[in-house]
Amino acid sequence: NAGVTQTPKFRILKIGQSMTLQCTQDMNHNYMYWYRQDPGMGLKLIYYSVGAGITDKGEVPNGYNVSRSTTEDFPLRLELAAPSQTSVYFCASSSAGAQETQYFGPGTRLLVL
Amino acid sequence: QKEVEQNSGPLSVPEGAIASLNCTYSDRVSQSFFWYRQYSGKSPELIMSIYSNGDKEDGRFTAQLNKASQYVSLLIRDSQPSDSATYLCAASATSGTYKYIFGTGTRLKVLA
Repeated sequence: NAGVTQTPKFRILKIGQSMTLQCTQDMNHNYMYWYRQDPGMGLKLIYYSVGAGITDKGEVPNGYNVSRSTTEDFPLRLELAAPSQTSVYFCASSSAGAQETQYFGPGTRLLVL
Repeated sequence: QKEVEQNSGPLSVPEGAIASLNCTYSDRVSQSFFWYRQYSGKSPELIMSIYSNGDKEDGRFTAQLNKASQYVSLLIRDSQPSDSATYLCAASATSGTYKYIFGTGTRLKVLA
């Protein structure tokens, strides 16, 4: 039982490039979340999903896109990377809604130059 | 803008002392509250959750919730150097949603 896995661990992008951050969970959780964490700051919600085929925006969705075709996978797409997207990205999942524990992946550190 | 506020610290306590971490939230309809511990360079892990007014104890950790004052706290008894980390407070965004708002975290240093 691996929990929540994320790839890659670290990536350097040039301004204007695109990439997809992968997130997979093996706990059969319906709810999945993408957060970004800037240095010394808390977690900001980018997008979330309450089940396959259902996604919604969080606090900071601009510059990102998501899809959820399966229960297990919730990839985050960055189009036209900008220096402001330099951050650590965490994926999380939970079995139900707001009363359940969120389990976090190890994070992806992204540097946009 | 609904917010969760924490003192960024660092909060320094000697080994064996009680560490007291505080959090206030602005959304009166928040129902669920969580404390996560985050070591440097690692992902957050859940320490405590609390949903009702009062105290909830788990080992050396006690969470306290006062909905009237919109205040949540975490007490760590017999603090150990291994407790040194950033502690994030989170509140459910609004009743019936699946979103959380996180505070910026309080950095705790336990001095040996």
